[in-house]
Amino acid sequence: QKEVEQDPGPLSVPEGAIVSLNCTYSNSAFQYFMWYRQYSRKGPELLMYTYSSGNKEDGRFTAQVDKSSKYISLFIRDSQPSDSATYLCAMGKIQGAQKLVFGQGTRLTINP
Amino acid sequence: DVKVTQSSRYLVKRTGEKVFLECVQDMDHENMFWYRQDPGLGLRLIYFSYDVKMKEKGDIPEGYSVSREKKERFSLILESASTNQTSMYLCASSLLGAEQFFGPGTRLTVL
Repeated sequence: QKEVEQDPGPLSVPEGAIVSLNCTYSNSAFQYFMWYRQYSRKGPELLMYTYSSGNKEDGRFTAQVDKSSKYISLFIRDSQPSDSATYLCAMGKIQGAQKLVFGQGTRLTINP
Repeated sequence: DVKVTQSSRYLVKRTGEKVFLECVQDMDHENMFWYRQDPGLGLRLIYFSYDVKMKEKGDIPEGYSVSREKKERFSLILESASTNQTSMYLCASSLLGAEQFFGPGTRLTVL
């Protein structure tokens, strides 16, 4: 079983829709959680970063962490064609903090 | 802004060739990483380095080696390239772990 599971999609939604991207994990040692966005032919860039359970909001993006269920989500409100990208969840432990474990990535397309 | 640069965007090599991929970061980060990215498999860690001349194997180190002689530069070496090493290679750096900053990637094709 992989430590981090992410539905690879692809996911295609109309512009303006609310998008939900999800990851589950099996290792309770993970203490911090990130979402990266990767445009085609580019490297991933950090989108959201959180330590604690609960919600963190940044503009149209909300990251949600439920440590008891080992489940994290990224919500995108009022989705735009420019949000079309691959989204990767990533998780890290306090010990061995250098390394991150990534999900497989979900390819998202927002249709105008 | 942190900048991570990789020596080539696209590279085509022949089976058996020795291949060098170079990565340079300009933010004095201790940690540097090499990943490969393949469809359906996500990012897989090949090697990382937490200091000059220090390295640790990642999840898939076979067929690869690394070199870190200077803090800002981390090289990935394919000793004898094989077709199954055709992939996107991504370099990243970080200060104290956690947020990693990625380069643009090198798409390597081995014929």
